[in-house]
Amino acid sequence: DAGVIQSPRHEVTEMGQEVTLRCKPISGHNSLFWYRQTMMRGLELLIYFNNNVPIDDSGMPEDRFSAKMPNASFSTLKIQPSEPRDSAVYFCASSLIRDEEQYFGPGTRLTVT
Amino acid sequence: AQSVTQPDIHITVSEGASLELRCNYSYGATPYLFWYVQSPGQGLQLLLKYFSGDTLVQGIKGFEAEFKRSQSSFNLRKPSVHWSDAAEYFCAVVGGAAGNKLTFGGGTRVLVKP
Repeated sequence: DAGVIQSPRHEVTEMGQEVTLRCKPISGHNSLFWYRQTMMRGLELLIYFNNNVPIDDSGMPEDRFSAKMPNASFSTLKIQPSEPRDSAVYFCASSLIRDEEQYFGPGTRLTVT
Repeated sequence: AQSVTQPDIHITVSEGASLELRCNYSYGATPYLFWYVQSPGQGLQLLLKYFSGDTLVQGIKGFEAEFKRSQSSFNLRKPSVHWSDAAEYFCAVVGGAAGNKLTFGGGTRVLVKP
């Protein structure tokens, strides 16, 4: 299996622009997680889905952030409009069943200037 | 709410020496516990996990961890460190009211001296 796939690996954009991060989970996994990692705040869970349904989005910073999972093999995290404080590494992870270990993608490094 | 504490932010160890990374958790029942490793510029890789049974668990890359319920700890150990072990290590817990959300500790960065 190719593992969790994220694209792009690096994104540089200007403040105010829309940013879309993409994730393809491991085939057959039914939970998907979006995390953000910064030096100041460490690893934060933003949102997670079970069977394509958002279960907990309490970690989403504000309305500028939105996430979708239209099918079992694809998810997006969108930031509109982006701000410099959104600069971070965003990870997607998936798991097979409830409470099992999560498999992480390589991350997307986002820089907002 | 459950929480995970990694008391050591940085640890420097000589190559060939032993390594122990501390992890303490706060949780109302027996949690599922994990150790992940993150090499620079990489994603997180699972080293080992504890769900139940034998409290000493073996992982990849020669790592092991011991679950001690009385101390609410899940410390990670390696008898002899290699230069390639330089990375950041995260302890995590999942379960209970939090569902399958992972709660991570703040991480411990390991530096390996030649």
